[in-house]
Amino acid sequence: GAGVSQSPRYKVAKRGQDVALRCDPISGHVSLFWYQQALGQGPEFLTYFQNEAQLDKSGLPSDRFFAERPEGSVSTLKIQRTQKEDSAVYLCASSQMARRYGYTFGSGTRLTVV
Amino acid sequence: GESVGLHLPTLSVQEGDNSIINCAYSNSASDYFIWYKQESGKGPQFIIDIRSNMDKRQGQRVTVLLNKTVKHLSLQIAATQPGDSAVYFCAEINQGGKLIFGQGTELSVKP
Repeated sequence: GAGVSQSPRYKVAKRGQDVALRCDPISGHVSLFWYQQALGQGPEFLTYFQNEAQLDKSGLPSDRFFAERPEGSVSTLKIQRTQKEDSAVYLCASSQMARRYGYTFGSGTRLTVV
Repeated sequence: GESVGLHLPTLSVQEGDNSIINCAYSNSASDYFIWYKQESGKGPQFIIDIRSNMDKRQGQRVTVLLNKTVKHLSLQIAATQPGDSAVYFCAEINQGGKLIFGQGTELSVKP
């Protein structure tokens, strides 16, 4: 596709429910990043993939957060036993080159935990 | 209850005026800086970038200035238009290649 596609666009989850957020990067982009953006704040780094390898997961806030990119293209961010503090917009970005330059962001998934 | 987000710094300008948005970055070792524009309900959109070996770079209606001495970045928008209304973020790429966002500034353009 022409851009980074994320689904669902909106997700409402009950506290304790597991959720899965999908990211379709730009075709051929090697690098893929997940960011979390709380209301009124800048995006915060969660994790980074180069092809299928997860090279940096230092931003994941707890072991309830898990990300995968098994075939080096589509990625899924999974949050287990969601908590209210997980409510945020989850942004995915991809880049043609390994971790440098030209990040293209998707429109994000707005997660609300009630 | 629902959490309340932090109040972003705001800049209000008249249509046609020039806008200057400022940003302080944290890591003196960062070698690449980017300005992003984020409209409501959308992801950040690339505007312009600059490498640390430069102090100025111009694009279409936008100019980025970098002052490494005081770790300061600014974005100048010429002849600001209503479509420029958005939140603007500066971002730096640190030595580890991680993109770190600064605090955003909400630009409001009055017609």
